[in-house]
Amino acid sequence: QQKVQQSPESLSVPEGGMASLNCTSSDRNFQYFWWYRQHSGEGPKALMSIFSDGDKKEGRFTAHLNKASLHVSLHIRDSQPSDSALYFCAAHTGYQNFYFGKGTSLTVIP
Amino acid sequence: GGIITQTPKFLIGQEGQKLTLKCQQNFNHDTMYWYRQDSGKGLRLIYYSITENDLQKGDLSEGYDASREKKSSFSLTVTSAQKNEMAVFLCASSMWTNTEVFFGKGTRLTVV
Repeated sequence: QQKVQQSPESLSVPEGGMASLNCTSSDRNFQYFWWYRQHSGEGPKALMSIFSDGDKKEGRFTAHLNKASLHVSLHIRDSQPSDSALYFCAAHTGYQNFYFGKGTSLTVIP
Repeated sequence: GGIITQTPKFLIGQEGQKLTLKCQQNFNHDTMYWYRQDSGKGLRLIYYSITENDLQKGDLSEGYDASREKKSSFSLTVTSAQKNEMAVFLCASSMWTNTEVFFGKGTRLTVV
């Protein structure tokens, strides 16, 4: 069973629009979450981490974590064509390895 | 900053062949990883190592061997390549297993 589920599988938004990506864990031991972004031909790179309930904002990116429901989301405001990429949610317990979701493919349409 | 270098970038092998992928990092990180990336299946952990000469199996270790002879390098061997092996293999490193992971650009494996 996949321990980290992401939705949707793919998403298209217009340039300047808001993109919303979702991630849910099936393991209550996962308390720490990261978002990674992978552009075509590159390795994934960390976007941001979130460890506490609530919102965390970094520029145009806002992550939201609800530990009770094991749900984390990523919202990208004012989406740009350069945001087109594969986005991975990653979770860990604090003392073991990361588990990655299958990813959401985001396309920003100019 | 640092960099993770994977060689080769592209690897073509024959079915049944033993193939080796190499990875070097200059972050001075303790932990190194090998992940396999298949389209639509995300990143799956093959092996990881928390220090020199340490090896830990991930969820996908069957059919693979790994070796960590020194802190900066980690190699992965496909023991007998199969046609369903075609994927991108990503090497990564981090200071510890629960800190930010840095990835290389990958080795794309094709089995003919």
